Amino acid sequence: SQQGEEDPQALSIQEGENATMNCSYKTSINNLQWYRQNSGRGLVHLILIRSNEREKHSGRLRVTLDTSKKSSSLLITASRAADTASYFCATVETSGSRLTFGEGTQLTVNP
Amino acid sequence: GAGVSQSPSNKVTEKGKDVELRCDPISGHTALYWYRQRLGQGLEFLIYFQGNSAPDKSGLPSDRFSAERTGESVSTLTIQRTQQEDSAVYLCASSRAYPRQGQETQYFGPGTRLLVL
Repeated sequence: SQQGEEDPQALSIQEGENATMNCSYKTSINNLQWYRQNSGRGLVHLILIRSNEREKHSGRLRVTLDTSKKSSSLLITASRAADTASYFCATVETSGSRLTFGEGTQLTVNP
Repeated sequence: GAGVSQSPSNKVTEKGKDVELRCDPISGHTALYWYRQRLGQGLEFLIYFQGNSAPDKSGLPSDRFSAERTGESVSTLTIQRTQQEDSAVYLCASSRAYPRQGQETQYFGPGTRLLVL
């Protein structure tokens, strides 16, 4: 079964708006990672946040982690049409090293 | 050098046939992973290699699936007697070292899209 569950499953916004995607998970984790996938092909690593971190920034990306609620959010600010993709969260449990992926959020940014 | 490469890009086969999927990791990456992604879904872990040994094969869905790796180089994923439910994109990733608690970034290939008729 999938560890992470993304919400919403699909999101459609206008260029320039912010996009927020959420991820919930079930077990204790060592870290949580966000990936992007274009057109059902290879994934690109975006950002990693460790369990002892609460917020992390990278360019237009902001990730938060709330371990008490077992949830994370990915915020993309000032979205662009090129941000259109599927976004996945993936967790690494404290007991292991395997990445477990959620089912993703399909983001569409309309020009 | 270049990123992770996979071949073929697309494979169409008939039910019951065997297929081999190939992955060339980034040079120097000791860890290699295989995932399966069904249409509209997330990635399912299949197997990972540290060097040419596979410490975790628990994700392989059945004994029809096997994988091997030559040293710290090419890996092949073999599916025997393919079934229609094997249709999916098979993704390979590599990372620099054994993923101590998942700290190493995984770099993904473009995937092989398999269709079993």
